[in-house]
Amino acid sequence: GAVVSQHPSRVICKSGTSVKIECRSLDFQATTMFWYRQFPKQSLMLMATSNEGSKATYEQGVEKDKFLINHASLTLSTLTVTSAHPEDSSFYICSARARQGWDTEAFFGQGTRLTVV
Amino acid sequence: GESVGLHLPTLSVQEGDNSIINCAYSNSASDYFIWYKQESGKGPQFIIDIRSNMDKRQGQRVTVLLNKTVKHLSLQIAATQPGDSAVYFCAENRGYGQNFVFGPGTRLSVLP
Repeated sequence: GAVVSQHPSRVICKSGTSVKIECRSLDFQATTMFWYRQFPKQSLMLMATSNEGSKATYEQGVEKDKFLINHASLTLSTLTVTSAHPEDSSFYICSARARQGWDTEAFFGQGTRLTVV
Repeated sequence: GESVGLHLPTLSVQEGDNSIINCAYSNSASDYFIWYKQESGKGPQFIIDIRSNMDKRQGQRVTVLLNKTVKHLSLQIAATQPGDSAVYFCAENRGYGQNFVFGPGTRLSVLP
């Protein structure tokens, strides 16, 4: 299947700093990318949907000023956690779909474990 | 978010037995479904998918069954192996251009 690369896989940052997570589709063009957050022993919770060249659509309860998403090209989306706090510590996962359509699977990155100390 | 965060139910099976993992989905308009496997510390991996115009699809050692009447999806794993131990999520797609909504997940533990 298609490959989605997420970087970094782990990051530890100090409270109050910002962290950028990259999500790249390596062998296909992703018209849509999704960012999820996953807490321990829980399911994936959608944070936002990102379409190339347009503003991201955030889910209810997700602060757009805190979680900045940039989908600058068809192969790259970034999530920046600004002014991170310990409660932002989580597993962040991106996924990408190759094209719009009801029957296209989403390919997932390896995830980024963020720990805010 | 749309997904529901719940503590994971666990299914324990003996190595070599068949496993059945169930999922209830919420939206009758959902028309495409995927089962994902997630190992600890990794992103979800695609296992098998099914469209709403089908009720069964088979892969290698895996079968997905879809019952639209009761909005139920199941994943059957034949001859379960230790490497199958993971968390399994069903995901439903709610239409053109929409995101996938994930179920709560089931942890599969394979006993030696």
